[in-house]
Amino acid sequence: DVKVTQSSRYLVKRTGEKVFLECVQDMDHENMFWYRQDPGLGLRLIYFSYDVKMKEKGDIPEGYSVSREKKERFSLILESASTNQTSMYLCASSLGQRYQETQYFGPGTRLLVL
Amino acid sequence: AQKITQTQPGMFVQEKEAVTLDCTYDTSDPSYGLFWYKQPSSGEMIFLIYQGSYDQQNATEGRYSLNFQKARKSANLVISASQLGDSAMYFCAMREAPRGAQKLVFGQGTRLTINP
Repeated sequence: DVKVTQSSRYLVKRTGEKVFLECVQDMDHENMFWYRQDPGLGLRLIYFSYDVKMKEKGDIPEGYSVSREKKERFSLILESASTNQTSMYLCASSLGQRYQETQYFGPGTRLLVL
Repeated sequence: AQKITQTQPGMFVQEKEAVTLDCTYDTSDPSYGLFWYKQPSSGEMIFLIYQGSYDQQNATEGRYSLNFQKARKSANLVISASQLGDSAMYFCAMREAPRGAQKLVFGQGTRLTINP
């Protein structure tokens, strides 16, 4: 079974703090993704990576950066957290480039920025 | 422009009844894939079923089937004989190929509640 893990299930941070969300997958997947989920908006793609050290902006990259130094690990960084970044963050991975491949998701991190 | 539309924010169904969750999509690409995911209250997204744009038959996976109507651009999820454990959020998603680099675009979701 594919396993995608996220470093925290719940996180509380203060405005202006630097926040790191970590994601690890154990199936040698090429692609990794970070989404945020907000009620009524579904999931929106923040950043994704299709290879080590490669990254591409998704639909809402403002205020976020990412790092992929190893194939199995994809980090989401909030350089200076703001209250409008309070959300559920979901990490996902997928194997390769065939478009019928599904994405496998981690359990999510609920981030509250005070 | 919204590419995936789920028009039912919430649905309430009696246990053992069949359920249809609506999904319409918008794309000009002839090659695309459609996915349905389930999100229980625990938060993780669980893949349910996949339909490719060139697939001749509607996809089925156990109690799940996809009513794919290409001309109408709809991909409704049908759950037969609903169970209490089916209560969850359900998301429809689309991937356009070859561009998009494996990105999925999600709908707003439908919250399904199964009543005993």
